[in-house]
Amino acid sequence: NAGVTQTPKFQVLKTGQSMTLQCAQDMNHEYMSWYRQDPGMGLRLIHYSVGAGITDQGEVPNGYNVSRSTTEDFPLRLLSAAPSQTSVYFCASSAGPLSGNTIYFGEGSWLTVV
Amino acid sequence: SQQGEEDPQALSIQEGENATMNCSYKTSINNLQWYRQNSGRGLVHLILIRSNEREKHSGRLRVTLDTSKKSSSLLITASRAADTASYFCATVNNAGNMLTFGGGTRLMVKP
Repeated sequence: NAGVTQTPKFQVLKTGQSMTLQCAQDMNHEYMSWYRQDPGMGLRLIHYSVGAGITDQGEVPNGYNVSRSTTEDFPLRLLSAAPSQTSVYFCASSAGPLSGNTIYFGEGSWLTVV
Repeated sequence: SQQGEEDPQALSIQEGENATMNCSYKTSINNLQWYRQNSGRGLVHLILIRSNEREKHSGRLRVTLDTSKKSSSLLITASRAADTASYFCATVNNAGNMLTFGGGTRLMVKP
C-alpha cells in the first residue's frame, strides 16, 4: 500500500515555464488536497477536491489549476511559474469529510522557480 | 491568513522534561488536530480532538481544547531526543472540507 505518492520530489523551473505536480493515492479516498509550505511556516491550502469531478479553491489558489478526473489522481498545474511559487508542495488525501476521517500526507515536492 | 497561531514558535528543552505547545484559532471548528513534521519530511497525524471534547490522551501526548477561548494545547511528557520536530495544530471547519494549519512550534529536545 503506497499511500499518497507525489512526483517529482524536486524540480527547478524557470520563470514563465509550466509544469504539473502529480499526486496519486491508492486508498480509494474521496477527498484530496494540495498545500504549500513556505520556510518556517505552516501549510496553506491551495485547492481541494471532495470527489471525482469536483474541485474547489482553498486559501491561496491564484496561479494554480487542478482537476480530478479520477478518484486516484489529483494533479496540480502551474501555468506560468513565478519565483513566489518557490515552496514545498504537499498532497493529502482522506477517506471522506475531514470531520470524521484522518488525512494522510505525501512526502512533499520541492519546487524552485528561478 | 492562517487560522491558527502557535506559541511558542520555538522551544528547546532537555530530554526527560515536558514540552507544552499552545495553539489559538479564530473561527468555529469541527475538530482540531496536531501534526508532527520532521525536517524535510511530510506531516504525520498525532491526535484529533473534537469540538465537544475537552481533553484527550495518546501515549505521552495530552491535548486539551477550550472552545470558549478558541485555544488548544499539546503536552509531550518525558520528552526524548527523537521528539525533536516541528509540531502544527490544524483545525477542520464545520463543513468538514478544509483543514487549516497554524504556523507551528519548532521543538528541540537535547540529549
